[in-house]
Amino acid sequence: QKEVEQDPGPLSVPEGAIVSLNCTYSNSAFQYFMWYRQYSRKGPELLMYTYSSGNKEDGRFTAQVDKSSKYISLFIRDSQPSDSATYLCATNPVGAGSYQLTFGKGTKLSVIP
Amino acid sequence: ETGVTQSPTHLIKTRGQQVTLRCSSQSGHNTVSWYQQALGQGPQFIFQYYREEENGRGNFPPRFSGLQFPNYSSELNVNALELDDSALYLCASSPGQGLSGNTIYFGEGSWLTVV
Repeated sequence: QKEVEQDPGPLSVPEGAIVSLNCTYSNSAFQYFMWYRQYSRKGPELLMYTYSSGNKEDGRFTAQVDKSSKYISLFIRDSQPSDSATYLCATNPVGAGSYQLTFGKGTKLSVIP
Repeated sequence: ETGVTQSPTHLIKTRGQQVTLRCSSQSGHNTVSWYQQALGQGPQFIFQYYREEENGRGNFPPRFSGLQFPNYSSELNVNALELDDSALYLCASSPGQGLSGNTIYFGEGSWLTVV
């Protein structure tokens, strides 16, 4: 079993829709969870960063961690064409003393005007 | 803008050659990590340098090596290039040594094509 599983999509939604992106992870010891947005042929850009369980909101974006089911989610409200990108979830298998992240494969999102 | 700059942005090499990729980290960040991202995949951790010492390595062979300089800039060297080394190579810089209270910021990457 891979440490982080993510449905690669592609996912296509109309402008204004609520988008739900999800990942599962294998180890309940993981503590840090991140969502990155990556535009085509660019480096990943940090969107959300959460520690342990719970929700975190930033504008139209909400990150959710459910440690009991080892499930992490990113919700995008009122999606815009500029949100069209690949979204990568990541966690830290090694522990807080390292920046070694394990990423999912990424979900490619297209928001249609 | 993350303040992490990488060079070159694109390059083409022949199988068996050697390549050096460079990274200038964000001001005040003393940790650099390198990732390889193949097409359609998420980034994979290669290694991490903290204060000029390698202190973490992923599942990559020894022909992948690196350096970190006193100004915290960094190099990734790959010897005996193989076709499967074709990928986007990402540099990330971070303050401190770990994730507690910190996170990592990526550069735009160097696209390497091996022919």
